[in-house]
Amino acid sequence: GQQLNQSPQSMFIQEGEDVSMNCTSSSIFNTWLWYKQDPGEGPVLLIALYKAGELTSNGRLTAQFGITRKDSFLNISASIPSDVGIYFCAGTGANSKLTFGKGITLSVRP
Amino acid sequence: DAEITQSPRHKITETGRQVTLACHQTWNHNNMFWYRQDLGHGLRLIHYSYGVQDTNKGEVSDGYSVSRSNTEDLPLTLESAASSQTSVYFCASSESPRAMDTEAFFGQGTRLTVV
Repeated sequence: GQQLNQSPQSMFIQEGEDVSMNCTSSSIFNTWLWYKQDPGEGPVLLIALYKAGELTSNGRLTAQFGITRKDSFLNISASIPSDVGIYFCAGTGANSKLTFGKGITLSVRP
Repeated sequence: DAEITQSPRHKITETGRQVTLACHQTWNHNNMFWYRQDLGHGLRLIHYSYGVQDTNKGEVSDGYSVSRSNTEDLPLTLESAASSQTSVYFCASSESPRAMDTEAFFGQGTRLTVV
């Protein structure tokens, strides 16, 4: 079945630093999505990608749809304390179902 | 503003009881989904619906059921609650074409504890 791999499970960075997160799969995906979940809340869509090679920005966030269609990355520049949360990648593959990675918990030290 | 709301936000129930979690969306989205979130497992799909009277099983559907009698609501029922069903439950909806999942928008979640 379709699986998305996110690692590491947790990341710790200093305020002001940039951070990059990867999401990989052994199968091809047609859509890549990045979500952020704040404590006690539901996931919120950050960026959606629909074409291989697509690079999209949303403020300090930049995400890319990998050329092979088997990966995507999310960059956060100049991190701030409110960037703390769980970042999920998600994608739609051959079975047309939305699959989620297990998420990366980001901590930002002031 | 259009939104998706879940109720209750927190629920404690006893083993063996039937429990229903509500999900209501005002976007007029055709597609609705229920996920559970557990540490180490991320978000796992329980059931989903692509329209009125349509329901489908996800990867962890045992012990759960849904019904879709209108566009706005997809209630999730635990037929006989078990401790293994203690989790945080999220409802989501999307407007993508039938049988194709794309951008999904989530509710705030229901934290269910089965004692």
